[in-house]
Parts: sequence; structure tokens; C-alpha cells
Amino acid sequence: QQQVKQSPQSLIVQKGGISIINCAYENTAFDYFPWYQQFPGKGPALLIAIRPDVSEKKEGRFTISFNKSAKQFSLHIMDSQPGDSATYFCAASRSGNNRKLIWGLGTSLAVNP
Amino acid sequence: GAGVSQSPSNKVTEKGKDVELRCDPISGHTALYWYRQSLGQGLEFLIYFQGNSAPDKSGLPSDRFSAERTGGSVSTLTIQRTQQEDSAVYLCASSLDTVTRQYFGPGTRLTVT
Repeated sequence: QQQVKQSPQSLIVQKGGISIINCAYENTAFDYFPWYQQFPGKGPALLIAIRPDVSEKKEGRFTISFNKSAKQFSLHIMDSQPGDSATYFCAASRSGNNRKLIWGLGTSLAVNP
Repeated sequence: GAGVSQSPSNKVTEKGKDVELRCDPISGHTALYWYRQSLGQGLEFLIYFQGNSAPDKSGLPSDRFSAERTGGSVSTLTIQRTQQEDSAVYLCASSLDTVTRQYFGPGTRLTVT
């Protein structure tokens, strides 16, 4: 079963708008929650990440909101730009020697000019 | 500095043939991961190398898949007797150690005809 569930599958936003992508997880052993951005033909690139000891992290126009009790986290992209059009993946990993990432299925974001 | 590099960028092979995919991690990174990205399946973990420790092969989908990492640097993923369901993008990532961010290469797109 999908350990990290991501929604929506696709999203269309107008330039200047707010893009919101949500993820939910089941495994309470997860302690690291990154968001990756992927452009066509490229590998995923880390956008922002959070650990469960904080409820929010902001870097520029990108914010992660984390709700530990609900086992949910979300990515907010403020003032969305056409250059933000990409596929976004949430992921999670647990503590231990192998920090393998467990991935959501991705959200295809299109920002209209 | 140089990022993670992968070769070839594209590989088309006939069903039943063997293929080798190469990953050059960032210099000094001790951890190396292979993931597979398939349409509709998202990204899935395949194998993990950390220093001189035994690799974690728990994500390999069948015994047709194997990987090695020579000298703690370059890694090769080998798929024997390729099947059409092996068609995917194979991504390699490296990290400085087990707790820091993973840097991804551009991937190798494998097409089995």
C-alpha cells in the first residue's frame, strides 16, 4: 500500500496565486519529510524539508506545514510563477542507517501566465 | 562542483538482453541510493550502499537486478534478461552521510522493446 499519499494529482494555478499540495503518511517512525521538485528530463531536486519537531518551515516562497497528530504535511507555494511549473513529490524517511525515501506519487503543477 | 552523473542518459534494449547502468556520485559522498521511477508507480527504492557496509538490497524487485559499488565511489546497476516491465527511469542519488539530503542524478531512461 502507498505509505505516503499525495494529492492532488495535478494542479493548475494562475500566476501570483498560491499552490497547495498535501501529503499524508501512516508510519509514525518517519522523522524526515522532504519535498522535491522535478522538471522533465531531470532528476528530483530538494526544495525544502522538515522534521516533526517543528510545525512550519519557510524558505522564500515555499512553506511546509506539518501536523504531527494528523500525520499530514503540505507544501505551499506563494506567488506562484510559470517557472514553478514542474512535478512535486513529497517523501518521508525514518531514522536509521538506511535513509531511503518513501515517495508520494507526485503532483503536476502548471502555473498559467 | 560536479553533481551526480549517470550514463547512459537513454538506453533502448531488446527483451531478454542484459543492461548496465552507471552512477558517479558526488565526490566524498559515502551513501548511494538507486531508485526507479515508473509511470503511475512513482519512485521506488531499489538498493542502498553506505561506505564499506553490506548493501541494503531490500528494494530490488527480482533476482534479475543486481548492483555493485566499487571503491566506495562508482556504482553499476545491472538488469539481466530485461523485461518490458523494467522500462522506467533509473535514478541514482548520493548523500554525504546517512542523515543529510540526497542529491539526484538526471537518471537513465530504459526502454525495453
